[in-house]
Amino acid sequence: EVQLVESGGGLVQPGRSLKLSCVASGFTFNNYWMTWIRQAPGKGLEWVASITNTGGSTYYPDSVKGRFTISRDNAKSTLYLQMNSLRSEDTATYYCTREGNYFDYWGQGVMVTVSS
Amino acid sequence: IQMTQSPSLLSASVGDRVTLSCKAGQNINNYLAWYQQKLGEAPKLLIYNANSLQTGIPSRFSGSGSGTDYTLTISSLQPEDVATYFCQQYNSWTTFGSGTKLEIK
Repeated sequence: EVQLVESGGGLVQPGRSLKLSCVASGFTFNNYWMTWIRQAPGKGLEWVASITNTGGSTYYPDSVKGRFTISRDNAKSTLYLQMNSLRSEDTATYYCTREGNYFDYWGQGVMVTVSS
Repeated sequence: IQMTQSPSLLSASVGDRVTLSCKAGQNINNYLAWYQQKLGEAPKLLIYNANSLQTGIPSRFSGSGSGTDYTLTISSLQPEDVATYFCQQYNSWTTFGSGTKLEIK
């Protein structure tokens, strides 16, 4: 059974940093692209970052480029999202998802609240 | 690419045939997925490549369309289908529609 389990969320002040983790199981992690998607409270879905299966390439929308960094440790089957210079508009539930085009498995999500 | 879903809210009766619409700002070459999100849960993939049913999804769900206009159809609405439905294009990077909330009348 495919499982994606996120952790690392919480309350953080504007301008500070936070690092999310996602532990994957039930599939061969290093065969798949992985992606972070977020959802602000009561809002729609927004792509945040994607990484190739080897970790050799990463992709971001303009809204987070230069502030967020996606990475992975294939030996640990773990995906990361380093979030720097956080803003109030980054407040959202962050989902770890499998694949890079459409997303066939999602974690349960982790809440990040950016507030003073 | 902007994705526009309509209606934003849909009320229907159990057993009804329900149609949800998603319009892309430009041709997305059938690179379209549909997701179902129940309250308090993560989204679930229903349809990919516009009309391919994801494994394990009931056959009452189907997708169609081409170019800029796409449709998700539920052939016979069930109480467990109450959810918000999102479309997603992956022809050029990826963007999601704002969702259609489906409720039982």
